[in-house]
Amino acid sequence: DAGVTQSPTHLIKTRGQQVTLRCSPKSGHDTVSWYQQALGQGPQFIFQYYEEEERQRGNFPDRFSGHQFPNYSSELNVNALLLGDSALYLCASSFRASGGTGELFFGEGSRLTVL
Amino acid sequence: AQKITQTQPGMFVQEKEAVTLDCTYDTSDPSYGLFWYKQPSSGEMIFLIYQGSYDQQNATEGRYSLNFQKARKSANLVISASQLGDSAMYFCAMREGQMSNTGKLIFGQGTTLQVKP
Repeated sequence: DAGVTQSPTHLIKTRGQQVTLRCSPKSGHDTVSWYQQALGQGPQFIFQYYEEEERQRGNFPDRFSGHQFPNYSSELNVNALLLGDSALYLCASSFRASGGTGELFFGEGSRLTVL
Repeated sequence: AQKITQTQPGMFVQEKEAVTLDCTYDTSDPSYGLFWYKQPSSGEMIFLIYQGSYDQQNATEGRYSLNFQKARKSANLVISASQLGDSAMYFCAMREGQMSNTGKLIFGQGTTLQVKP
């Protein structure tokens, strides 16, 4: 049973560039959430996608955008990169209609360094 | 606004002993869920245990138990019989709604646990 997979695992960009991060949810899951984790901090919620639409958004600027595909996989795009965007980006998946605790399963993250 | 506070930046514990990691929370919503996650150096957040605000009993999962004190708004994680593999960062997190589909969790700052042989 494949868990949440993210790519790339590491990448380096320069200020002003754009980046796309990818996520495949755990088998059977239909909802994807993205988090940003700065070094030494707890993760912060960016947004959640379900049925190919953004359903909920945290306090992040419009430079952060996303997409969900019919196979439930998702992309996170960040435009006009700033030094402060350097972080570990975590993808989490869940099954919306589970009726249970709605536990989130996380991937290992994509570590972005902006120079 | 919801908030999670973890006041212990770092903790040490001797192998095979028990350790308690502190977590306090703040919310005005009567329905919420509390989570503990473990994050090893690989980066993956590993789910450990969940407690709903209306659950009557404290949650337990193997060596993990959650000391839920609702009136004090605390949800401390207890790890019994610590193992070397328990060395990691531990995060307490909260979600609105006990049975909710939201993907938004509010995380604390985390506690680094080191288990000594």
